[in-house]
Amino acid sequence: QSVLTQPPSASGTPGQRVTISCSGSSSNIGSNYVYWYQQLPGTAPKLLICKNNQRPSGVPDRFSGSKSGTSASLAISGLRSEDEADYSCAAWDDSLSGPVFGGGTKLTVL
Amino acid sequence: EVQLVESGGGLVQPGGSLRLSCAASGFTFTRYAMSWVRQLPGKGLEWVSVVGDSGAATFYADSVKGRFTISRDNSENTLFLQMNSLRPEDTAVYYCAAASMIVVPPDYWGQGTLVTVSS
Repeated sequence: QSVLTQPPSASGTPGQRVTISCSGSSSNIGSNYVYWYQQLPGTAPKLLICKNNQRPSGVPDRFSGSKSGTSASLAISGLRSEDEADYSCAAWDDSLSGPVFGGGTKLTVL
Repeated sequence: EVQLVESGGGLVQPGGSLRLSCAASGFTFTRYAMSWVRQLPGKGLEWVSVVGDSGAATFYADSVKGRFTISRDNSENTLFLQMNSLRPEDTAVYYCAAASMIVVPPDYWGQGTLVTVSS
């Protein structure tokens, strides 16, 4: 049971915009930065969004992050087939003194 | 280019021990907090432990507290995880990861090493 809650699956067609939600609490998302990761099958997580809405160098601007209260969202616009992957959110948790993760959302490009 | 290369995984019997290592390069190791994060088969990511940039501060998930010990050698740019009293539920891919501060999730990840605890 993951501390952060994400939908297990999401889908869209090429060119569409999809959003993935991440719900937490005051001890994690409510008081700390949210990070988002992309994980292709059989590979390590790759950082997509840091500090709620900042894209590391090399991440396309099709990916964007937002946060409000104890929830956060990842938006992917202009969906492409190569975006098919698992997406996970994360945040530091003040009560657990460690980062907590969502269970991951499997994105399917139809 | 940032590289984190884990080693030391393998098959171990319940109650046994393993020591994971992670060799870091391509960034200033001493400026980053380092974590171990694991992923059980077909499941999400689970934080295991984190150590601050100097090695003085360490934190552990409740599931591994008292059994696992995290450490780092800043002279060798290497991170370690000593795992004792291993249980079948510790079976997972273990990732080494680097964060710009101890209180944020990681920026960089290694490719992972598989630990299987089974008789």
